[in-house]
Amino acid sequence: NAGVTQTPKFRVLKTGQSMTLLCAQDMNHEYMYWYRQDPGMGLRLIHYSVGEGTTAKGEVPDGYNVSRLKKQNFLLGLESAAPSQTSVYFCASSLGLAGVSEQFFGPGTRLTVL
Amino acid sequence: QQQVKQSPQSLIVQKGGISIINCAYENTAFDYFPWYQQFPGKGPALLIAIRPDVSEKKEGRFTISFNKSAKQFSLHIMDSQPGDSATYFCAASGNDKLSFGAGTTVTVRA
Repeated sequence: NAGVTQTPKFRVLKTGQSMTLLCAQDMNHEYMYWYRQDPGMGLRLIHYSVGEGTTAKGEVPDGYNVSRLKKQNFLLGLESAAPSQTSVYFCASSLGLAGVSEQFFGPGTRLTVL
Repeated sequence: QQQVKQSPQSLIVQKGGISIINCAYENTAFDYFPWYQQFPGKGPALLIAIRPDVSEKKEGRFTISFNKSAKQFSLHIMDSQPGDSATYFCAASGNDKLSFGAGTTVTVRA
């Protein structure tokens, strides 16, 4: 099992450019999450999904969109990147609700927006 | 505004010493409190978790202490080892989302 994988590992964008981050999991998990990690702020939830075809907003959703067309994939899109979106992005998945199930994290994507 | 407040931001401990990280929350609907460990360049991984019906949970050298009335919980790392050097996050959940603390970077000196 590869667990949770993220593509790409690193990316540099210019302000206004768009990109999509891909998360894939092979554990047949229902729940998937996108977080951003910034120094001194921990992990903040951007969007999450409770199953194929569903998405919901987290704590910091502005400037991001997501899609969960297949159960194993969760895509995070930035339509017009801003320097404030420079961060490390983590995808996670879990079998059940966050209140009962362990979340498994991917290795992260380091994004720099110039 | 973070729903879980974590302190200290960083700490240094000698090998064999005890590391203590504290967290506090306000939302009484929280009923699941995990701790995640993150090594540089890696994603976080679950270390240990507790529910409010117990006051303490121990797994090896790691212990969670939970004070429901004070809405506080803490992680104790006993006999700290250089391999424990990492960032530790407390978290809390009452439903379908986790709220994380800001993290504590622990450095264990040999």
